[in-house]
Amino acid sequence: EAEVAQSPRYKITEKSQAVAFWCDPISGHATLYWYRQILGQGPELLVQFQDESVVDDSQLPKDRFSAERLKGVDSTLKIQPAELGDSAMYLCASSPWTGENSPLHFGNGTRLTVT
Amino acid sequence: GDSVTQMEGPVTLSEEAFLTINCTYTATGYPSLFWYVQYPGEGLQLLLKATKADDKGSNKGFEATYRKETTSFHLEKGSVQVSDSAVYFCALSDQRKSTFGDGTTLTVKP
Repeated sequence: EAEVAQSPRYKITEKSQAVAFWCDPISGHATLYWYRQILGQGPELLVQFQDESVVDDSQLPKDRFSAERLKGVDSTLKIQPAELGDSAMYLCASSPWTGENSPLHFGNGTRLTVT
Repeated sequence: GDSVTQMEGPVTLSEEAFLTINCTYTATGYPSLFWYVQYPGEGLQLLLKATKADDKGSNKGFEATYRKETTSFHLEKGSVQVSDSAVYFCALSDQRKSTFGDGTTLTVKP
């Protein structure tokens, strides 16, 4: 079964440094999501792409976070500068279409620790 | 806005026990409802879904029924196994986005 690929699996960085995460969705999935999952909580949406366009980034802290999906396939999420409160699991998900019936396919995530 | 509330955990059961994890939701429209499962060190996997009132989703012995009148989508399994130990997330999805509960950790002991 096709999977959503994410890298790296783990990242440790010092505060004020820059960090980047990469995601490759399931082939053919037009919709791509980045979620942040704090330990003990459910995922919270950071940004949603439809092809290469951002359709929802209302919860993305734009002063330090950026996301791109230049060719409508893989995507990069960047944090600069990282803060202690950014320590979390960052999950990428994709779906073949946008709508209430579309289940999400998640990658295994990147566990970020900011020291 | 939309919200999902799950029963607080953790839940610890013996093998072959009956499982219920409660989930209630608040939404302005008529969302689809989902249960996802997360094993240690992994991302979330879709367990089951229901797209309209009175629909029953089922998979791997798990079941949940979309109850519009009580705005609930409780997860049940008749006989749990050690391999069912994981974190379970209830979620709703409308036209715009998915909203997740905080998860319920299930531990099944042999």
